[in-house]
Amino acid sequence: SYVLTQPPSVSVAPGQTARITCGGNNIESKSVHWYQQKPGQAPVLVVYDDSDRPSGIPERFSGSNSGNTSTLTISRVEAGDEADYYCQVWDGSSAHVVFGGGTKLTVL
Amino acid sequence: EVQVVQSGAEVKKPGATVKISCKVSGYTFTDYYIYWVQQAPGKGLEWMGLLDPENGETKYAENFQGRVTISADTSTDTAYMELSSLKSEDTAMYFCATGVGAVGYWGQGTLVTVSS
Repeated sequence: SYVLTQPPSVSVAPGQTARITCGGNNIESKSVHWYQQKPGQAPVLVVYDDSDRPSGIPERFSGSNSGNTSTLTISRVEAGDEADYYCQVWDGSSAHVVFGGGTKLTVL
Repeated sequence: EVQVVQSGAEVKKPGATVKISCKVSGYTFTDYYIYWVQQAPGKGLEWMGLLDPENGETKYAENFQGRVTISADTSTDTAYMELSSLKSEDTAMYFCATGVGAVGYWGQGTLVTVSS
């Protein structure tokens, strides 16, 4: 089955840029979606189809996908961005949804 | 506006079955897949399965195959997730969600506690 690998944690100072990676075999051939989850809340879609943003999501959130790595980039990080972030793809070969293990973003 | 509203918290004994409902509104029910996702305390998101309301087709994750059943009542735009043979490890928040490709709309979650 397809596996997505994320770093358990990323730390960044306010105002800096956070980059959260999601590794998978030839992931560039898949559409990658990213979710933000704050404690006690449901996940929120922040980037879909590698790099598109749903309405209401700040332009500070962007995504890219190349080779075996997809990246969620959060520019000008704010305290309110502190959350868990998950990547997700559709594995067509198994017809399954796959989530990465999640990355906890800490704003120092 | 798309809304996803789940049923309330449940407390079950080991070996029992739980059935959670998920009522959606704001779009044509058959246009989007319904997904169910488990999140154990302090853990990540784990996909359980999906339903295509247009034809009733389901797909289940291997970890839940044989214990989970996802269904829907198209007359009330409501989906259901039934999990049987409950174990203490099934204590978790269960999310219903919907969307096309990306999962754009999530319910508030239903906490299921399995305890003797």
